[in-house]
Amino acid sequence: DAGVIQSPRHEVTEMGQEVTLRCKPISGHNSLFWYRQTMMRGLELLIYFNNNVPIDDSGMPEDRFSAKMPNASFSTLKIQPSEPRDSAVYFCASSSWGTGNTEAFFGQGTRLTVV
Amino acid sequence: AQSVTQLDSQVPVFEEAPVELRCNYSSSVSVYLFWYVQYPNQGLQLLLKYLSGSTLVKGINGFEAEFNKSQTSFHLRKPSVHISDTAEYFCAVSDPAGAQKLVFGQGTRLTINP
Repeated sequence: DAGVIQSPRHEVTEMGQEVTLRCKPISGHNSLFWYRQTMMRGLELLIYFNNNVPIDDSGMPEDRFSAKMPNASFSTLKIQPSEPRDSAVYFCASSSWGTGNTEAFFGQGTRLTVV
Repeated sequence: AQSVTQLDSQVPVFEEAPVELRCNYSSSVSVYLFWYVQYPNQGLQLLLKYLSGSTLVKGINGFEAEFNKSQTSFHLRKPSVHISDTAEYFCAVSDPAGAQKLVFGQGTRLTINP
């Protein structure tokens, strides 16, 4: 398996623009997580899905952030409108919850810069 | 709620020296414990995990960690480090009864000097 695949790896956008980050989880995994990494706040969970259903979005910072998982093999994280303080590395991770597997596998991340 | 404290933000050591990266956690329930490593411009890779049983767990790349329930600690150790171990290390916890969402510590940057 190719692992968790995120795109793009790097994104530079202007303030006010819409940004969409994409994630393809590992095939067969039923849980998907979006994390954000910044120097100030470290790694924080934004939202997670189980069987394509959002379970906990309490980490989503503002209404400007939204996430979807239309099927088991694809998820998006959208920021509209983007602001400079959204600059961070965004990680997607997936796991097999309920199968005895306790490891979350991370993608390479998307480095977002909002200027 | 759970929280993780990594006591050292940066640890410089010489090559072939031993190293210990400290991690303490807080939780009202039992937890699973993890150490992840992040190499520059990479995602996170699992080093080792503690679920239950033996309190000493061994992971990849010669790392090991010991779970101490009374001290709520899960310190990471390696007896002899290499230049290639230079990376950021994250301690994390999850609730076994919940989904595998992780709560991370702030990370420890390990720098190996020749």
